[in-house]
Amino acid sequence: DTGVSQDPRHKITKRGQNVTFRCDPISEHNRLYWYRQTLGQGPEFLTYFQNEAQLEKSRLLSDRFSAERPKGSFSTLEIQRTEQGDSAMYLCASNPGQGAGRDTQYFGPGTRLTVL
Amino acid sequence: GQNIDQPTEMTATEGAIVQINCTYQTSGFNGLFWYQQHAGEAPTFLSYNVLDGLEEKGRFSSFLSRSKGYSYLLLKELQMKDSASYLCAVPSGGYQKVTFGTGTKLQVIP
Repeated sequence: DTGVSQDPRHKITKRGQNVTFRCDPISEHNRLYWYRQTLGQGPEFLTYFQNEAQLEKSRLLSDRFSAERPKGSFSTLEIQRTEQGDSAMYLCASNPGQGAGRDTQYFGPGTRLTVL
Repeated sequence: GQNIDQPTEMTATEGAIVQINCTYQTSGFNGLFWYQQHAGEAPTFLSYNVLDGLEEKGRFSSFLSRSKGYSYLLLKELQMKDSASYLCAVPSGGYQKVTFGTGTKLQVIP
């Protein structure tokens, strides 16, 4: 396992369409995070999973956004009725939650979303 | 909540030393991270400080003063490939989320 993977890497969509992104964390990492990053800014926290439980959700995450981690492994982030303001890089990160490196978040390559 | 402040941009010369500062305000302290992010790529972990003092890791060192709410990242023997954004970040209690600064964009020039 070489790290966190995300799919797709790039997504271009028209305003009003729905999009779904996938994240596969490092094996046996029980903590998974979604962040959003716009140009010139640091990543902003969106939501956090411990195993399959979604334990925290940012107020940035409007009701158009939903995230799941059904079996405690991969996660999906869905955006409904996309708006131009949703254009950003969506980053997924995981960490083991225990043992060596438990405090370090390991990031995937991100999905760059462009809403036309 | 968390508040993090770091310079927006810095320029330094190849072979030189540069110090990137970060000040933070946080309710409860659980350590401080530094990440490196090249343009268009994901952040990669550089360091994690929990205790006061300097931690050295090759050409990169990170310093923390909890009483002052202050950290810096020191890069020695700068190389062109060090041109990147450097993100200061603090986790909240239980490490359930990390608050990032806006990042310092470092440009290394010949």
